Amino acid sequence: KQEVTQIPAALSVPEGENLVLNCSFTDSAIYNLQWFRQDPGKGLTSLLLIQSSQREQTSGRLNASLDKSSGRSTLYIAASQPGDSATYLCAVDSGGYQKVTFGIGTKLQVIP
Amino acid sequence: DARVTQTPRDKVTEMGQEVTMRCQPILGHNTVFWYRQTMMQGLELLAYFRNRAPLDDSGMPKDRFSAEMPDATLATLKIQPSEPRDSAVYFCASAPSGDTQYFGPGTRLTVL
Repeated sequence: KQEVTQIPAALSVPEGENLVLNCSFTDSAIYNLQWFRQDPGKGLTSLLLIQSSQREQTSGRLNASLDKSSGRSTLYIAASQPGDSATYLCAVDSGGYQKVTFGIGTKLQVIP
Repeated sequence: DARVTQTPRDKVTEMGQEVTMRCQPILGHNTVFWYRQTMMQGLELLAYFRNRAPLDDSGMPKDRFSAEMPDATLATLKIQPSEPRDSAVYFCASAPSGDTQYFGPGTRLTVL
């Protein structure tokens, strides 16, 4: 059974700082890995999706990397802003929608 | 700006009562998902449909939960009878052909 862990559970940083969020998974046989953002009281917004054949994806100030062999992914946020404050979840697809496993998330607070 | 909508946004009910949650997927999306999110378990897939047909509901307690898609614009999740352990936020998501899912704002259910 796939297990997804996100560390740390919560993170507080000053505005402007670069930061890294971590996601680890136990079964390296994956189809893709996706990073989501969740704002309080709202649903999830997809940020980046990395296919199993890819090593990284970039969107603006966000960069996600994938290392299947070690079962790890990182989400790098450059020059953090207060608007980045949210919970970030990673989701691992091990073989179709019914095998998507979500992490509990990392709650990020960017302090002005 | 097309969005997934869910009603109600909040529901408080007493144990034993029937609860029905509704979701309107994005027009043209052929895959619809129901998720449940709790602090302890995180986000769990309950069921999903493709072209209105149920493809997998193995994540759903069959004795009390049921999910349907009466038409392409409406998905429902029903709990009968409800129990306190069903208290959670229930998300609906829809997807076009492909991997990216678009989430609704969720229904926060509290069963007393």
